Amino acid sequence: AQSVTQLDSQVPVFEEAPVELRCNYSSSVSVYLFWYVQYPNQGLQLLLKYLSGSTLVKGINGFEAEFNKSQTSFHLRKPSVHISDTAEYFCAVSEVAGYSTLTFGKGTMLLVSP
Amino acid sequence: ETGVTQSPTHLIKTRGQQVTLRCSSQSGHNTVSWYQQALGQGPQFIFQYYREEENGRGNFPPRFSGLQFPNYSSELNVNALELDDSALYLCASSPGGENTGELFFGEGSRLTVL
Repeated sequence: AQSVTQLDSQVPVFEEAPVELRCNYSSSVSVYLFWYVQYPNQGLQLLLKYLSGSTLVKGINGFEAEFNKSQTSFHLRKPSVHISDTAEYFCAVSEVAGYSTLTFGKGTMLLVSP
Repeated sequence: ETGVTQSPTHLIKTRGQQVTLRCSSQSGHNTVSWYQQALGQGPQFIFQYYREEENGRGNFPPRFSGLQFPNYSSELNVNALELDDSALYLCASSPGGENTGELFFGEGSRLTVL
């Protein structure tokens, strides 16, 4: 079984500041890693994913994340946030050898203010 | 390309009633998954259907059941509704085949149980 821990339930930040949303996972098997974003009253949208290869992955809207196997982390970063980045962000894992089912963290609310 | 669509978007039921939620998968996708997202929580996996067969189930009681139709659309049925069933129910589709873990989500059906 896998578990995902998002260390911050809420992250307030000013517009144009950098941000990091933290994610740690636990799994006894190899996993794929994902970040999804949920805007108010909407479903989830994939931001980026790590399947294999380079540990630094780039996603949409200027976000990137780094996979650190030794620390079992997959932190999400953006060098300069916009008001429109205000949303809930979910880290998730999926077993490599399994079906395409996701185990999600509890989410981090990113609040960007002017 | 048509995305994942869900209906109804909102509904209110009373305890003990039954509910059916519907989902049309994205064009070309033969796998449908259902997730429950309680308020302030990450989505939790209910079950997955692949080519009309259930091929994975999370930790949900049997009163949560589903169907997948030949056109790959799907239904989620919940019997004997309880107050704790109040949540956003998300449907997600994927192309099947090799697991890349990426799911395409609909906007959800928000169920309130009174």
